[in-house]
Amino acid sequence: KQEVTQIPAALSVPEGENLVLNCSFTDSAIYNLQWFRQDPGKGLTSLLLIQSSQREQTSGRLNASLDKSSGRSTLYIAASQPGDSATYLCALTWEETSGSRLTFGEGTQLTVNP
Amino acid sequence: DTGVSQNPRHKITKRGQNVTFRCDPISEHNRLYWYRQTLGQGPEFLTYFQNEAQLEKSRLLSDRFSAERPKGSFSTLEIQRTEQGDSAMYLCASSSLAGYTGELFFGEGSRLTVL
Repeated sequence: KQEVTQIPAALSVPEGENLVLNCSFTDSAIYNLQWFRQDPGKGLTSLLLIQSSQREQTSGRLNASLDKSSGRSTLYIAASQPGDSATYLCALTWEETSGSRLTFGEGTQLTVNP
Repeated sequence: DTGVSQNPRHKITKRGQNVTFRCDPISEHNRLYWYRQTLGQGPEFLTYFQNEAQLEKSRLLSDRFSAERPKGSFSTLEIQRTEQGDSAMYLCASSSLAGYTGELFFGEGSRLTVL
């Protein structure tokens, strides 16, 4: 079964700290991996997309890496701000479904304290 | 490009009633997806369309659930004889097959509360 796990489930940090969110998956034959942000009661905002052939993607203060051999992805947030407080979700599609459906982790709830 | 639009944003209904949600995808996006998210969990796949064809349905999509995309544009998700366990956020997403990357764009969701 293809599963996605995110650790930790919740994280609280002081403003300005650099932090890493972790995502692990059980099947390395992935099609792509997306990181999303979700604010309470809202939909999902796409942050970064990493294709299977890529190792990392960067957008502003965010950097996502992908290591298929170890079944891991990390989302690095530099110089965290209170506005970064949200739930971060990792989601994957796999080759056997040609990227047609996302499987999500349960998310990491991030709180950045001023 | 106005993004994925979902209506209504919140629906409160009594058990046994029928409800329908609508999703308008990003213009010219070929694929449209429905996901369900319960509190504290990640979204779970329900079904997806490529143009007007429904290509895959999850086991989560019981006989009480039906989704349509009649003209390959907007989609509706109907839940008949609602149960309290149907209470969740129903999320719609779309993607383009042009230069396909598999990136999905989500709407704000429709929250269902069944009393």
